Amino acid sequence: NAGVTQTPKFQVLKTGQSMTLQCAQDMNHEYMSWYRQDPGMGLRLIHYSVGAGITDQGEVPNGYNVSRSTTEDFPLRLLSAAPSQTSVYFCASSYGGTATDTQYFGPGTRLTVL
Amino acid sequence: QKEVEQDPGPLSVPEGAIVSLNCTYSNSAFQYFMWYRQYSRKGPELLMYTYSSGNKEDGRFTAQVDKSSKYISLFIRDSQPSDSATYLCAMSASYNYGGSQGNLIFGKGTKLSVKP
Repeated sequence: NAGVTQTPKFQVLKTGQSMTLQCAQDMNHEYMSWYRQDPGMGLRLIHYSVGAGITDQGEVPNGYNVSRSTTEDFPLRLLSAAPSQTSVYFCASSYGGTATDTQYFGPGTRLTVL
Repeated sequence: QKEVEQDPGPLSVPEGAIVSLNCTYSNSAFQYFMWYRQYSRKGPELLMYTYSSGNKEDGRFTAQVDKSSKYISLFIRDSQPSDSATYLCAMSASYNYGGSQGNLIFGKGTKLSVKP
């Protein structure tokens, strides 16, 4: 049981480039989410999904796209990278997406946009 | 004013000390409260979950919620060097995540160092 996996671990982009951050879980969890963590800001929700085919915006969705074609995978796409998107990105999953369901976080992707 | 305030520290204590970590919040609709622990360069992991007001104990950890004061605490007894990490509080107004009330709102985290 690998839990929540994220790739890549590190990435450097130039302004304007696009890329996809990968997230996968093998726990058959319905709820998956993406957060970004910035110094002095805490974790902020970007997008989330309550099941395959269903996604919605979180607190800071601008500049990011998501899709959920399978239960296991929830990729995050940066459309045109900007320096303001330099951050650590965490993917998380939980069984049912309720307050009593434990959210399991991946190890994170450290992204730098030059 | 941010919805959730948490002193970032750093907080340094000797091994064996009792540690008190706190968060205040402004949204009276919050009723689900969590504490996460995050080791350096790792993802957060859930430590404690509490619903509404009251105390909850799990081994050396005790979580307290005072909704009348909009104040939550995490106490660590007999602190160990392995407790050195950043502690994040998080809270939600809704049982179901999602929508305007259901997103988890995190504090900035308090960095704790326990010295041997």
